[in-house]
Amino acid sequence: DAKTTQPTSMDCAEGRAANLPCNHSTISGNEYVYWYRQIHSQGPQYIIHGLKNNETNEMASLIITEDRKSSTLILPHATLRDTAVYYCIVRRSQGNLIFGKGTKLSVKP
Amino acid sequence: KAGVTQTPRYLIKTRGQQVTLSCSPISGHRSVSWYQQTPGQGLQFLFEYFSETQRNKGNFPGRFSGRQFSNSRSEMNVSTLELGDSALYLCASSSGGTSGTYEQYFGPGTRLTVT
Repeated sequence: DAKTTQPTSMDCAEGRAANLPCNHSTISGNEYVYWYRQIHSQGPQYIIHGLKNNETNEMASLIITEDRKSSTLILPHATLRDTAVYYCIVRRSQGNLIFGKGTKLSVKP
Repeated sequence: KAGVTQTPRYLIKTRGQQVTLSCSPISGHRSVSWYQQTPGQGLQFLFEYFSETQRNKGNFPGRFSGRQFSNSRSEMNVSTLELGDSALYLCASSSGGTSGTYEQYFGPGTRLTVT
């Protein structure tokens, strides 16, 4: 599975949009981009995934560049409860999840 | 639907002992994956079971084993415990179909401490 690169940490003001970048320059055509987050000491929580097109659900939006070498997870109105480690993962349809170190997002009042 | 449940939530064992952890997936899900999370190594994949068969396996020693029952519930066993096995063990369930994508939903984990 392709490796991903994420910033170690980011800050975001409460109520503002949080934009979390991810680079996956070696992604293959059959690999999907998945985002999970983990709030301290809890199990990871699935957020969203996509292949080529931008995706949106009740939690977030996923923007994937046309060349698929990078993506951005957008939390439109961050709250204090969104403080967590966010993982960007690239995987095949049946592949297991390979977690990197993720981005520690701190939402501040 | 009820989420993924794991038992026990906390466990303390002594080096050399063995331990069994249990995972009940979301109703209707046939795939169960296990992960180990430590501060040093992060989240690492152990193995995946689908319809009672191991489908994928991570790079862990043979002391780590698992199984899945006909009702999709899964257990993992660690024999001859070492201090380094202290970790949060996470179970994730998914529909596990043979084509397309499927999201994995994680349980709260079992915190194992080896003394």
